[in-house]
Amino acid sequence: DVKVTQSSRYLVKRTGEKVFLECVQDMDHENMFWYRQDPGLGLRLIYFSYDVKMKEKGDIPEGYSVSREKKERFSLILESASTNQTSMYLCASSFEGVNSPLHFGNGTRLTVT
Amino acid sequence: AQKITQTQPGMFVQEKEAVTLDCTYDTSDPSYGLFWYKQPSSGEMIFLIYQGSYDQQNATEGRYSLNFQKARKSANLVISASQLGDSAMYFCAMRGSNYQLIWGAGTKLIIKP
Repeated sequence: DVKVTQSSRYLVKRTGEKVFLECVQDMDHENMFWYRQDPGLGLRLIYFSYDVKMKEKGDIPEGYSVSREKKERFSLILESASTNQTSMYLCASSFEGVNSPLHFGNGTRLTVT
Repeated sequence: AQKITQTQPGMFVQEKEAVTLDCTYDTSDPSYGLFWYKQPSSGEMIFLIYQGSYDQQNATEGRYSLNFQKARKSANLVISASQLGDSAMYFCAMRGSNYQLIWGAGTKLIIKP
């Protein structure tokens, strides 16, 4: 079974803090993704990576950065957390190709106060 | 432009009945994949079933089947013999040539005992 592990289930941070969300997958997937999910707005892609050290902006990259130093790990960084970044963050991974499903972690519910 | 439309924001279904969740899509890619995901209230996103654009037969996976009508650009999810544990949000998604996933807005399914 594919396993995508997100380091924290719940996280509470203060405005202005630097926040790291970690994601690890164990299936040797090339692609990794970070989404945020908000009520009424659905899933929105923040960043994705198709290979080590490669990254592409998604629909809402502002205020975020990512790091992929190893194939199995994809980190999302909030440089200076703000209250409008309070959200559910979902990490996913997949093989390349249109027929490859994304496999998701359990999500991190981040609250910025 | 690629688009996924789920026209049913919410549905109530009696336990043990079959349920059909609607999904229509729009794409100009000749090759694409269609996916259904389930998201319970706990938040994790669970992959259910996949249909490739060139697949001749409708996909099935246990109690889940996909009613794929390519000419109509529809990919409805059918759940047979619904159970209380099927209560969740259901998302239809499509993956095309750029390998990113395009998501529908979701349908909230509630199974009544």
